[in-house]
Amino acid sequence: GQNIDQPTEMTATEGAIVQINCTYQTSGFNGLFWYQQHAGEAPTFLSYNVLDGLEEKGRFSSFLSRSKGYSYLLLKELQMKDSASYLCAVMDSNYQLIWGAGTKLIIKP
Amino acid sequence: ETGVTQTPRHLVMGMTNKKSLKCEQHLGHNAMYWYKQSAKKPLELMFVYSLEERVENNSVPSRFSPECPNSSHLFLHLHTLQPEDSALYLCASSQAAGTGGYEQYFGPGTRLTVT
Repeated sequence: GQNIDQPTEMTATEGAIVQINCTYQTSGFNGLFWYQQHAGEAPTFLSYNVLDGLEEKGRFSSFLSRSKGYSYLLLKELQMKDSASYLCAVMDSNYQLIWGAGTKLIIKP
Repeated sequence: ETGVTQTPRHLVMGMTNKKSLKCEQHLGHNAMYWYKQSAKKPLELMFVYSLEERVENNSVPSRFSPECPNSSHLFLHLHTLQPEDSALYLCASSQAAGTGGYEQYFGPGTRLTVT
């Protein structure tokens, strides 16, 4: 079966750095997406990785290792507004997105 | 209006009611999706439309009936639902389906409660 694993919840301090991990087992791979979802709102796109390595976009970076079936989202200089759920999704061989259950990130002052 | 809009934002219905959810995308995309989001569970893909044709139906019960009259509009018709169907229903669109690299843009969702 297809599976995406990510931690259920994480807590970090304002101004710090946090890494949210995602491991996957899917039938085929056509890229990995990270989305942010604030409570009661729509998921919004953060990043897309299809090749191994690090993609940096401002305070957010995303890393992919296809051989290990592993990705992480790195958030730097955390702000209170970063409190949200972070969703990892893998596009499989049928170009369908397989979603993780999301990681709820709590930022404390 | 910009992005992806959904109406209504909240809906309470009885098990014998019939209602419809509406989604509209203002992005010029060719693919539209319906997802179900339940608490602490992964997003479940329900239906995919590409250029107004249904290309995916992930074993969704027949009490959910989608309709895509054109590439900008998507409906989800609901009838004789069960309490376990209570969830957030999200609509999304992307430039294309069946190919990689295109992110999906989501609407704010309809919070559905079945009583």
